[in-house]
Amino acid sequence: SQQGEEDPQALSIQEGENATMNCSYKTSINNLQWYRQNSGRGLVHLILIRSNEREKHSGRLRVTLDTSKKSSSLLITASRAADTASYFCATDASHDYKLSFGAGTTVTVRA
Amino acid sequence: GAVVSQHPSRVICKSGTSVKIECRSLDFQATTMFWYRQFPKQSLMLMATSNEGSKATYEQGVEKDKFLINHASLTLSTLTVTSAHPEDSSFYICSGLAARNRETQYFGPGTRLLVL
Repeated sequence: SQQGEEDPQALSIQEGENATMNCSYKTSINNLQWYRQNSGRGLVHLILIRSNEREKHSGRLRVTLDTSKKSSSLLITASRAADTASYFCATDASHDYKLSFGAGTTVTVRA
Repeated sequence: GAVVSQHPSRVICKSGTSVKIECRSLDFQATTMFWYRQFPKQSLMLMATSNEGSKATYEQGVEKDKFLINHASLTLSTLTVTSAHPEDSSFYICSGLAARNRETQYFGPGTRLLVL
């Protein structure tokens, strides 16, 4: 079942700008993950943040997690045209490693 | 990194036929694989969990006789859509869990199925 809600649904920015998207979820989690999907392709794992972590960085990506608010954010800094894709958050709330995906945010970076 | 392949990448079939989709972990052993379905501009919906050497477990609302899953080895899982109908047209994606890191799923590139 889908647990994550993401906003915005779509985001259009100029190259070089930052892109921020948010994910909210309903139940306690073990970890939260962000994935990228280019149109018609599979998913690429971007970053995983555990429930006892508050912030994580990977290159131009910054992820925060607020378990009290049951929310996470993904920030992409200095965006590039190649960042154009759909971004999904996914929560692991079980003991069997199943992921529940949010609805996704479609990001368009204009050159 | 861990690579997962899917075959075929696209398939068009007639209504009533069966279609088999293969999911292979190329450089790691996947004791667990997951099968997802994705409709256009929507999120991924988990269909079933496939464990090597045992029966798959299906999510609520997914017909096990319609979507047959076999996980015969640590590197191969197959999904067979039996007696396909146009409403089965979708994007099917698999993922694998490596024994060394069971927190991260590695996804295949997906298979687009079109049933005429």
